[in-house]
Amino acid sequence: DTGVSQDPRHKITKRGQNVTFRCDPISEHNRLYWYRQTLGQGPEFLTYFQNEAQLEKSRLLSDRFSAERPKGSFSTLEIQRTEQGDSAMYLCASSLAYRDLREQYFGPGTRLTVT
Amino acid sequence: DAKTTQPNSMESNEEEPVHLPCNHSTISGTDYIHWYRQLPSQGPEYVIHGLTSNVNNRMASLAIAEDRKSSTLILHRATLRDAAVYYCILRALYGNKLVFGAGTILRVKS
Repeated sequence: DTGVSQDPRHKITKRGQNVTFRCDPISEHNRLYWYRQTLGQGPEFLTYFQNEAQLEKSRLLSDRFSAERPKGSFSTLEIQRTEQGDSAMYLCASSLAYRDLREQYFGPGTRLTVT
Repeated sequence: DAKTTQPNSMESNEEEPVHLPCNHSTISGTDYIHWYRQLPSQGPEYVIHGLTSNVNNRMASLAIAEDRKSSTLILHRATLRDAAVYYCILRALYGNKLVFGAGTILRVKS
């Protein structure tokens, strides 16, 4: 299967701890996106990369959040000093950056629970 | 970002067609209409997109009103596997992010 993969699938952490999630996009995709989804809501955009460059960040991405895509392949999303409000599903997606081929392919998500 | 309006939920019988409506009265001339769906415990999945003309693919059809202020996603024969949340999204021509609303929960009865 060559879809988008995310690791871990589930993470339980205590408030104040740091967590890091990994996303491996579809190999030929140069765009990578992070979204956050809380229960009963649609996903909310957090940030996106084209190759290794982070081109857009949402206001939702507080300074406790940092995302990297160091070699233009996999990406990591780190949350420092987690809060209970960070509990959500974190979704990664990838796409090709061509005009009509911008469907985003989503991974299964990482479910974060902050206790 | 232009806004879309969808019913909160709809119900269909298995093997029957389903028409999922979406209103987008503030759509601009270069906004594409995208549909994604999210099955339980999975990430969203692309379904179809269009600009002006109706579109068909193996999953569904997209009917776009002449004034582009509304569209309808058509599942020709609903199956139990089509039970999901369906999102109608407007994406600008060179836009990058997807702006999801709450979507329509589709329930399929056997």
